[in-house]
Amino acid sequence: GAVVSQHPSRVICKSGTSVKIECRSLDFQATTMFWYRQFPKQSLMLMATSNEGSKATYEQGVEKDKFLINHASLTLSTLTVTSAHPEDSSFYICSAISGQGPSYEQYFGPGTRLTVT
Amino acid sequence: AQSVTQLGSHVSVSEGALVLLRCNYSSSVPPYLFWYVQYPNQGLQLLLKYTSAATLVKGINDFEAEFKKSETSFHLTKPSAHMSDAAEYFCAVSVEGGTALIFGKGTTLSVSS
Repeated sequence: GAVVSQHPSRVICKSGTSVKIECRSLDFQATTMFWYRQFPKQSLMLMATSNEGSKATYEQGVEKDKFLINHASLTLSTLTVTSAHPEDSSFYICSAISGQGPSYEQYFGPGTRLTVT
Repeated sequence: AQSVTQLGSHVSVSEGALVLLRCNYSSSVPPYLFWYVQYPNQGLQLLLKYTSAATLVKGINDFEAEFKKSETSFHLTKPSAHMSDAAEYFCAVSVEGGTALIFGKGTTLSVSS
C-alpha cells in the first residue's frame, strides 16, 4: 500500500523557537495532504488542508500565522510551528490522499511527537 | 454537518471473546465511514472502510463492520480477540472522497488473558 513518512518522529524544542515537520508521500503523488493534531488520550482534530501549489485552508481556531503549511510539491508538505509554546506540545499527524481510487483513501504518516519545554 | 459518536471510551474483553466497538454517525449526505487502529505513539492504520458498496465490510485481521442506515451505525466487530488487538480504535466519517476525516473520540480496547 501507499506509504507516508514524517520527519522527525520526535522533537523537543525550547519555548519561542520554531520547528518544521515534514510529511512525504513516498510512492504516490498526493494532491491533497491534511494535518491533524492529537492531544494525549484524545482524538485527532483537523488543523488544515493542504493542496499542492496553493494556500492551505485552516480550520476554525487554528492560527495560520503560527502553523505555517507549505505544499510545494506533490510529495511533500511541511508544517512549521512558529514561536512554539508548551501548549503546542502534541502529536502531529499528516495524511495524504491518493486520487487513484474511487474512494480516495487517506494514508496516514506515523506522526511527530512535539514537546516544547 | 457530520459527526461521529463512539459509545464507550474503554472496552475490556478476554482473549478469544467477541469484540464489539460501537460507532454512530450523523451526516446529511451518504457518508463514507472508516475504522482505524492506533498503537501507542504511532500513526493510524486503516482497518476497513464503507464507501456505499456492500453494507457488510470485511477488513484486516478478521475485523468487520456493518453499515446500518436505519440505525446510523457502523459498529466494528471481531469474533475472537487477540492480545495484539489491544489498541485505540477510531471511527471516522467523510462526506465524499478526497475530504478530511472527522473522527470520533476513540475507544481503548483492552484484552486480558
